[in-house]
Amino acid sequence: KAGVTQTPRYLIKTRGQQVTLSCSPISGHRSVSWYQQTPGQGLQFLFEYFSETQRNKGNFPGRFSGRQFSNSRSEMNVSTLELGDSALYLCASSWTGEDQPQHFGDGTRLSIL
Amino acid sequence: SQQGEEDPQALSIQEGENATMNCSYKTSINNLQWYRQNSGRGLVHLILIRSNEREKHSGRLRVTLDTSKKSSSLLITASRAADTASYFCATDPKPQGAQKLVFGQGTRLTINP
Repeated sequence: KAGVTQTPRYLIKTRGQQVTLSCSPISGHRSVSWYQQTPGQGLQFLFEYFSETQRNKGNFPGRFSGRQFSNSRSEMNVSTLELGDSALYLCASSWTGEDQPQHFGDGTRLSIL
Repeated sequence: SQQGEEDPQALSIQEGENATMNCSYKTSINNLQWYRQNSGRGLVHLILIRSNEREKHSGRLRVTLDTSKKSSSLLITASRAADTASYFCATDPKPQGAQKLVFGQGTRLTINP
């Protein structure tokens, strides 16, 4: 069974631009969560989607948004990019998201110039 | 913010030795999970232990959970070079607030041949 797939793997943007990252969960998984990983702040939860609805949201500004499609694939968007948005963005999926292990993709490395 | 604190931050041992990593957390939890991350890759789920469990085994891994002390430990026995990675504990808080999974800062484990 294919794992969680994130595209693209690497991305370079400049300040003020916007970016869209994509995540395809494991087949049958309906919960998709996004995390940001930086050397300074570590792993921080962005949001979770389940059946096309945002179920949980972390403490990030409104520039960070996401959505989930009917096939459970998810996208996250960051607008008006700032230097501090440089990070590894990780997507994780699970069957229902409740009391279950999360299966992570290899992430998208976003660099802001 | 990070709920979990891991100790030590870095650990270097010889191949064949045992490695022990500790995690402390602050709030009530549904479960606690351990993940491994190789450099530049996503997180790999190792073990999930629920709040009503005290110990769990998986191959060379042993995890303990003490909810009264709000702490957990991960023991890797008979370490191998391939175990070199960062290890993170993550708590699933109860009740679930803004955070889906709350990660510690991780322990960087190096196995020397």
